Amino acid sequence: ELKVEQNPLFLSMQEGKNYTIYCNYSTTSDRLYWYRQDPGKSLESLFVLLSNGAVKQEGRLMASLDTKARLSTLHITAAVHDLSATYFCAVDKDSGAGSYQLTFGKGTKLSVIP
Amino acid sequence: NAGVTQTPKFQVLKTGQSMTLQCAQDMNHEYMSWYRQDPGMGLRLIHYSVGAGITDQGEVPNGYNVSRSTTEDFPLRLLSAAPSQTSVYFCASSYSRWNTGELFFGEGSRLTVL
Repeated sequence: ELKVEQNPLFLSMQEGKNYTIYCNYSTTSDRLYWYRQDPGKSLESLFVLLSNGAVKQEGRLMASLDTKARLSTLHITAAVHDLSATYFCAVDKDSGAGSYQLTFGKGTKLSVIP
Repeated sequence: NAGVTQTPKFQVLKTGQSMTLQCAQDMNHEYMSWYRQDPGMGLRLIHYSVGAGITDQGEVPNGYNVSRSTTEDFPLRLLSAAPSQTSVYFCASSYSRWNTGELFFGEGSRLTVL
C-alpha cells in the first residue's frame, strides 16, 4: 500500500522567510503532483513532476523530485501572506504511464504572518 | 469551458436516505474520479473511471456506487447514507494517463448526514 507523508502538517512562518515542505512516499514512482487548497475551495494544480531530478518553479514556489530518495520538496522563498493555504502532495502508485490512482498526503497548512 | 462541474454544492441528508452527487466535465477527459476529503485525512479515492462504461474501486468504495454512461458525466450514488459519509466530495478529471495525469478538480460538494 502506497503511503505519502508530508511534514510539517502545520507551518507558521513570517513574511520574507524561506521554508521547505517535505513529501516522502513509500513506493517507486516518478509521478508526483503538488496542489494548493484555499479554505472552503477546490484544489488547484501547482506542479507536475514526472521524472527523477525534475524541478519546477513558479513565483516564490519551487518543487523538486528525487525518486531514489522517494522525496519531493516544495520550497518557499521570501514568503508573502498570499501563500497562506494548505498544500498537498499526491503520488501516482505506478510509474511510467500512470495508474490514475493518486494517493494524497494529509496536507501542510501554511500560515504566513506579517 | 466550464471545466468540472459538481452539483449540489451543499446537501443535508438523514441516515438511510439515498442521493446522487452529479459531476460533469466539458474537456473531453477520459479519466474521472471521486475523492472524499475529511479533516486531517487528505483526499481519499472512492471510485474512478478510465472511460465510458469502465469503472473501478479506489481506496474507500464501500457505501458508494458509480456509473459512467457518457464521457462527460460521472455521478456518485449514496445508496443508504450513514453519518460516516459526512464529508466534502470532490470530482476530478484528467485528459489521459499518457499525458501528465494532472487532475482538474470541481468545486466540491459538502454533504452532512444526520
